[in-house]
Amino acid sequence: KQEVTQIPAALSVPEGENLVLNCSFTDSAIYNLQWFRQDPGKGLTSLLLIQSSQREQTSGRLNASLDKSSGRSTLYIAASQPGDSATYLCAVRQDNQGGKLIFGQGTELSVKP
Amino acid sequence: EAEVAQSPRYKITEKSQAVAFWCDPISGHATLYWYRQILGQGPELLVQFQDESVVDDSQLPKDRFSAERLKGVDSTLKIQPAELGDSAMYLCASSFRGRNNEQFFGPGTRLTVL
Repeated sequence: KQEVTQIPAALSVPEGENLVLNCSFTDSAIYNLQWFRQDPGKGLTSLLLIQSSQREQTSGRLNASLDKSSGRSTLYIAASQPGDSATYLCAVRQDNQGGKLIFGQGTELSVKP
Repeated sequence: EAEVAQSPRYKITEKSQAVAFWCDPISGHATLYWYRQILGQGPELLVQFQDESVVDDSQLPKDRFSAERLKGVDSTLKIQPAELGDSAMYLCASSFRGRNNEQFFGPGTRLTVL
């Protein structure tokens, strides 16, 4: 059974710092991996999607990498801003799951001015 | 920009009452998902539709939950009777093709059962 883990559960950094959020998964037979942002009490906003054949994806100050063989993904945020404060969730889609996403528990990020 | 719509945004109900949530996916998205997110955890799939057909409801508590997507467009999720443990965020998502494409989420319905 696929399990997705995110470490740390919470992270607090000063504004301007570069940071890395970690996601690991137990079954490497994934189809793709998606990173989401969730503001308190809100829905999920898709940030980046990496297909299993890709190594990384970039969008603005965000860069996500995927190492399928080791079961790891990282989300790199450059020059963090207070507006980046939110919970970040990673989720994997498996070949045999018909499309459902399996989520980690999230990392709650706080960027202090 | 096209978005997934959900209503209501917030619902407070008493234990044993019936509640219903509505979702309208992005136009043209054949696959629709209902997820439940308990506070402090990641979302978990309750039910997945491909057009009007259920393709995965293995985690749906069928004794009290039901879901339908009669015309293959919008969908309704119902709970009857509601229990205290049903308090959670209910998220709807849609994708163009269930297997290959990115899922887009709605704003969610926050349910509180008293």
